Amino acid sequence: DAGVIQSPRHEVTEMGQEVTLRCKPISGHNSLFWYRQTMMRGLELLIYFNNNVPIDDSGMPEDRFSAKMPNASFSTLKIQPSEPRDSAVYFCASSLRWRPGNTIYFGEGSWLTVV
Amino acid sequence: GIQVEQSPPDLILQEGANSTLRCNFSDSVNNLQWFHQNPWGQLINLFYIPSGTKQNGRLSATTVATERYSLLYISSSQTTDSGVYFCAVEGSNYKLTFGKGTLLTVNP
Repeated sequence: DAGVIQSPRHEVTEMGQEVTLRCKPISGHNSLFWYRQTMMRGLELLIYFNNNVPIDDSGMPEDRFSAKMPNASFSTLKIQPSEPRDSAVYFCASSLRWRPGNTIYFGEGSWLTVV
Repeated sequence: GIQVEQSPPDLILQEGANSTLRCNFSDSVNNLQWFHQNPWGQLINLFYIPSGTKQNGRLSATTVATERYSLLYISSSQTTDSGVYFCAVEGSNYKLTFGKGTLLTVNP
């Protein structure tokens, strides 16, 4: 299996620009998660989807952040407009079925720098 | 929400030494996983272990769910074991909450 695939791996953008991060979950997995990792806050869950439907977006920091999952094999996390404090590593993860006890697998992350 | 505490926060070992990392959590859990984040940032699954004991090569893990803790054992450590070890737990709200991690440095 190819694992969770994220793109881009690295992005440097200017403050105010729109950023779109992409994720392809493991085939057959129907739960998808977006996490953000910073030195100050560690790994935080931003949003998760089950069967392409957003279940909990309470971790999304503010309205500048939005996430979509138009089909089972693709999700995006968008930041518009971006700010320097959004600089972080953004991880996408997936698991099989939304029930307690499923192993979650992470992508390699998208390293975002906003200058 | 559920609280996850890991100890120690930092650990420096000489190659060949053994170590034990601890994870305490504040509530009953449906899922507990140990991850290794390597120096390149990749998060690698080590164990899915909501209870009991598992072993994989030089690594083993034990979770005592009734006492709300888990231990990760690393034996005969190697430089490639360096990185951050995270414990993550899933409570009744189905969210996987991470601890702050243990930064392990193994020196040759």
